[in-house]
Amino acid sequence: GDSVTQMEGPVTLSEEAFLTINCTYTATGYPSLFWYVQYPGEGLQLLLKATKADDKGSNKGFEATYRKETTSFHLEKGSVQVSDSAVYFCALSENTGGFKTIFGAGTRLFVKA
Amino acid sequence: DAGVIQSPRHEVTEMGQEVTLRCKPISGHDYLFWYRQTMMRGLELLIYFNNNVPIDDSGMPEDRFSAKMPNASFSTLKIQPSEPRDSAVYFCASSRAGSGYTFGSGTRLTVV
Repeated sequence: GDSVTQMEGPVTLSEEAFLTINCTYTATGYPSLFWYVQYPGEGLQLLLKATKADDKGSNKGFEATYRKETTSFHLEKGSVQVSDSAVYFCALSENTGGFKTIFGAGTRLFVKA
Repeated sequence: DAGVIQSPRHEVTEMGQEVTLRCKPISGHDYLFWYRQTMMRGLELLIYFNNNVPIDDSGMPEDRFSAKMPNASFSTLKIQPSEPRDSAVYFCASSRAGSGYTFGSGTRLTVV
């Protein structure tokens, strides 16, 4: 079945460092890919998405490119801030049937001042 | 838009009691999902609805759990009787087909 694998955390960075959170997926069809962010005490929020190969999703300085050849959707940000500390979830949704979304386990990011 | 609204935000109950969690999805969204989040198991899909009809309830852990969606603007998740291992944060999310989810703020359930 479909699955999402993302790097284990926690990831600890200093402010202004470069961020990469790896995500790979397994899918039978041609899914849409998503990154969600969860701040403490809150629900998940959609951060960005890409719906087809080579699409780049971007939002708030974060970006990720849909790589079909490597089945990856790595999240990157050039300069992180303390306020980016949160848990990040990679996810996929098949574009047929029930549009059910499969979530990765989440990667916790700590950014130090 | 007020987003997905869940109530209550926090619930503390005694083992054996009935618990009802409520969700109001975003107007116009035709999918509604119930998730449970714990440190041990992460985010688990319990059940989802399309146009108020349950489509997949394979994630519902036991018969003690039930969910309804009587109309497009309201859903409930009920646990009867509740047990300490049901303690978790329960999220409701809604979406339109093919788009990302909008999550509510969750209900933190503690069963003592």
